[in-house]
Amino acid sequence: DAGVIQSPRHEVTEMGQEVTLRCKPISGHNSLFWYRQTMMRGLELLIYFNNNVPIDDSGMPEDRFSAKMPNASFSTLKIQPSEPRDSAVYFCASSPGTSGGTDTQYFGPGTRLTVL
Amino acid sequence: GESVGLHLPTLSVQEGDNSIINCAYSNSASDYFIWYKQESGKGPQFIIDIRSNMDKRQGQRVTVLLNKTVKHLSLQIAATQPGDSAVYFCAALVSNTGNQFYFGTGTSLTVIP
Repeated sequence: DAGVIQSPRHEVTEMGQEVTLRCKPISGHNSLFWYRQTMMRGLELLIYFNNNVPIDDSGMPEDRFSAKMPNASFSTLKIQPSEPRDSAVYFCASSPGTSGGTDTQYFGPGTRLTVL
Repeated sequence: GESVGLHLPTLSVQEGDNSIINCAYSNSASDYFIWYKQESGKGPQFIIDIRSNMDKRQGQRVTVLLNKTVKHLSLQIAATQPGDSAVYFCAALVSNTGNQFYFGTGTSLTVIP
């Protein structure tokens, strides 16, 4: 099993540009989570999906952030327009069930985003 | 002015010794807890979990202790190995209110060979 796949692994962009982060969950997993990690705030849950449906997006910082899951094997997190304070490592995780936080989550390697 | 990020608490242990990493949580309604290990450049990795109806749970070389009275949990690693060097952090969840995990900032463990 390849595990959770994220792309790109590193992204450097300029303020105001659109950024799209991609995630392929583990095959057969029913839940997908997007997290952001910074030194100041640690790991924060942004949004999660059950069976491709967004369940809780209360962690999404503002309207500049949007996430989609068009099918069971692909999700995107988009930031438009990007700002320097969005610089962080963004993780995608998936879990087998739909009970959310109490299922073991498997994390991808993350995308390190730098907004200049 | 210049901003400085938070520095993680650090713990250095000799190879073969036992390690104890601590975590405090604030919401007394939290009823599910997870310990994660994060190696440099990688995503967090599940280590062990515990529900609030338990005080102790053991895994392979790891033990988690939960003290609900003082809202504290600890991770004990027996016979610490160089491969255990990583950042460890706990997460707390109120399981019947969705998936808003609250993560600690972590402790950086360094194992000295």
